[in-house]
Amino acid sequence: EAGVAQSPRYKIIEKRQSVAFWCNPISGHATLYWYQQILGQGPKLLIQFQNNGVVDDSQLPKDRFSAERLKGVDSTLKIQPAKLEDSAVYLCASSLEPTSYNEQFFGPGTRLTVL
Amino acid sequence: GENVEQHPSTLSVQEGDSAVIKCTYSDSASNYFPWYKQELGKGPQLIIDIRSNVGEKKDQRIAVTLNKTAKHFSLHITETQPEDSAVYFCAAKRGLDNYGQNFVFGPGTRLSVLP
Repeated sequence: EAGVAQSPRYKIIEKRQSVAFWCNPISGHATLYWYQQILGQGPKLLIQFQNNGVVDDSQLPKDRFSAERLKGVDSTLKIQPAKLEDSAVYLCASSLEPTSYNEQFFGPGTRLTVL
Repeated sequence: GENVEQHPSTLSVQEGDSAVIKCTYSDSASNYFPWYKQELGKGPQLIIDIRSNVGEKKDQRIAVTLNKTAKHFSLHITETQPEDSAVYFCAAKRGLDNYGQNFVFGPGTRLSVLP
């Protein structure tokens, strides 16, 4: 079974530039999550999708971050414009169902450096 | 909201010894507590979890204990091996409903198993 795929793996941009990350979840997984992991910290949920609808985006900085999951499969996370404090690893995860006890499978992440 | 603390931040043990990582949470409504292992350059991977109606769970060399009254839970790794070296995160599910997996992660513990 193929895992969660993310691209690119690394990205370096200057502040005020835009950047986009792509995620392909495990086939058949209805729920998709984007996390931000700042160096030395645990992952923080940014947004959760159930199929192509948003379940929770309460921690997404909506003035600069946006995400979509068209057709309920792949997802993109965009930052526009980027700030220095956005430097982090952006993790995508998916689970079969949105219920509490289903395992979340994480991708390898995209490491973003904002200069 | 939920707040998860984790100790220690770093832990070094000799191969074959046991390792214990402790977490505390603040929201008494949290009811699900997974533990994740994150190796360098990879996303977190679930290693064990426990629900609030269980006090202890064991899977080979790994065990987790939960004290709901004190609001803390611990990860125990016995007979440690070099491949156990990684960053370990505890998490607590916030919210009362069974829909969604909005975890709050601890800051992580870097475990080093010395040969």
